[in-house]
Amino acid sequence: GENVGLHLPTLSVQEGDNSIINCAYSNSASDYFIWYKQESGKGPQFIIDIRSNMDKRQGQRVTVLLNKTVKHLSLQIAATQPGDSAVYFCAETLNSGNTPLVFGKGTRLSVIA
Amino acid sequence: DTGVSQNPRHKITKRGQNVTFRCDPISEHNRLYWYRQTLGQGPEFLTYFQNEAQLEKSRLLSDRFSAERPKGSFSTLEIQRTEQGDSAMYLCASSLFSGEGELFFGEGSRLTVL
Repeated sequence: GENVGLHLPTLSVQEGDNSIINCAYSNSASDYFIWYKQESGKGPQFIIDIRSNMDKRQGQRVTVLLNKTVKHLSLQIAATQPGDSAVYFCAETLNSGNTPLVFGKGTRLSVIA
Repeated sequence: DTGVSQNPRHKITKRGQNVTFRCDPISEHNRLYWYRQTLGQGPEFLTYFQNEAQLEKSRLLSDRFSAERPKGSFSTLEIQRTEQGDSAMYLCASSLFSGEGELFFGEGSRLTVL
């Protein structure tokens, strides 16, 4: 398959451990944020989103935390599985999603079985 | 498969040639986006449409690039006089204009300019 990110920051975790992926976003006016997962040779896939009026949102095995004071997002993955290995991108937008998403640089997550 | 479809998946061309990519969005989605992604980088916005209207173009979109969505359904992205720096993955995404920003991406069209 195609290698999405050759020179990205990499996080290696043991299978079953929790993963935390961090993202610094750029625009203090952004009000809607999304985490995407991208596997080799595939397009980005939605994981979870959060609006700026929240500081935490939980999904299935994933939690997103938003700290607007320092313009920081994190994605927590519980009980990381080999299928979680991918590149993860945060994306931000203005006007509740009515302007195009701006993506961050991404982090490669490698799960060690 | 009712997802976003892109073709061709891979295109190898010589510098100076023209190439065209096609995107078929999810049928009920009225917004369609083009992004470009190079190795090690996140997707970069190029342009987007709401129905057939092109609402925004990035400064990344030089005059060699043109995108159309003539009937508000599929879209084409044409690159004229390709340069080696155009080599990238071209991603198409669609969404339903509802205030939610989630985009549904296709698998991308990989362009290699020799």
